Formats: sequence, C-alpha cells, structure tokens
Amino acid sequence: QKEVEQNSGPLSVPEGAIASLNCTYSDRGSQSFFWYRQYSGKSPELIMFIYSNGDKEDGRFTAQLNKASQYVSLLIRDSQPSDSATYLCAAYNAGNMLTFGGGTRLMVKP
Amino acid sequence: KAGVTQTPRYLIKTRGQQVTLSCSPISGHRSVSWYQQTPGQGLQFLFEYFSETQRNKGNFPGRFSGRQFSNSRSEMNVSTLELGDSALYLCASSLEPAGSNTEAFFGQGTRLTVV
Repeated sequence: QKEVEQNSGPLSVPEGAIASLNCTYSDRGSQSFFWYRQYSGKSPELIMFIYSNGDKEDGRFTAQLNKASQYVSLLIRDSQPSDSATYLCAAYNAGNMLTFGGGTRLMVKP
Repeated sequence: KAGVTQTPRYLIKTRGQQVTLSCSPISGHRSVSWYQQTPGQGLQFLFEYFSETQRNKGNFPGRFSGRQFSNSRSEMNVSTLELGDSALYLCASSLEPAGSNTEAFFGQGTRLTVV
C-alpha cells in the first residue's frame, strides 16, 4: 500500500462546476499536507497546504483535512479550463520525507 | 526573487555513462531535496540535503548520490546509467529542513533520457 493514495482519474467536470479531489494517507504520524498542481511537461507548483483539521480556503481553492479518517481533499470552485492539470497530494511521513500520491488528472470541459 | 534553477533542462546519455545534475535553490533556502518522476512510479524521493549534510535518503541504489555546497547549491550524480533511469529529475528547495510545516518549491526539472 502506498503511503499516499489518490484516484488517478481522469476527473472530468464542466466549466464553472466544483471539482473535488481526494487523497488518503496511511501514516498517522503525518502532520502536514500539500496540494501541488502539475501541468503536462511542467514541474509541480504548490497550491495549498493544510496542517489543522477542518477547512482552509484560498481564493477558489479549499483544502479539507480529517486526521481521524486520514483523508485530505481539495475543492476547486468555479472550475476553469486552465485548471486542467494533474493534482498531486503530498505528506511528510514520520521520516520527514515528502511522499506524493500518484496524482489525479483533472479535465475541465468548456 | 528567482525560483529554483535546475541545469541542464534536457540530457541524453548512453547506458553505462554517468551524469551530474545541478540545482540552485531559492535564495536563502538551505534545504534541497531531489525527486525522480516517471509515468509508472510517480514522484519518488531520492534524498535531501541541508547545510551540506544528507538528512534523508530514499530507496534508490547507491548509483544515485548527491552533495550540497556551502552556497546551498546541490548536485546529483547517477553512475552507470541504465535505461530505467530515464525520468524527469526534480529538485525542491525549502527554507528549513524537510518536515512538518515546511513548504517545498520545485524547479523546472531535468529531463534525462538514457539510450
């Protein structure tokens, strides 16, 4: 079992809809969680991070963390075609190594 | 403020050769981590350097090595290249050592092709 798991997708949503990306992790010692966006052929770009249970909002993005369920999600409101990319969830494990999920490919259709 | 700079951007090498990749972190950042990204395995942690010391190493063979200089620039070396080493090699820099609450920022990567 991978330490960080994501559905590979693709997740297809119409423009203007809410995209919901999910991630589960196995290391209960993980304390902080990061969402990166990676466009095809480009490097990962940090979108958001979350450390505390609950929601954290930044513009059109909301990260949600539930440590009891070992679950992290990223909501993208008013999805735009430019949001089409692969979204990577990452967490530091007990060994302080940033571990990535396989990524979810998001497609926003005009 | 300049971002993380990796050189070269693209590299083609022959099996058995060795290669050195370079990473200059964001100014003021002292931690540099290296990752290998392949379609099959995704992003995998190679190692992290902080203040010229290797803090962590991922599950890669000894052919993969690195170092960090006093100006925080880091190099990664792969010896005796194999076809399976073809990948995008990414480095990420952070202000503090990798761990909780540390944000890591990636460079553009070096695309290595082994033929």
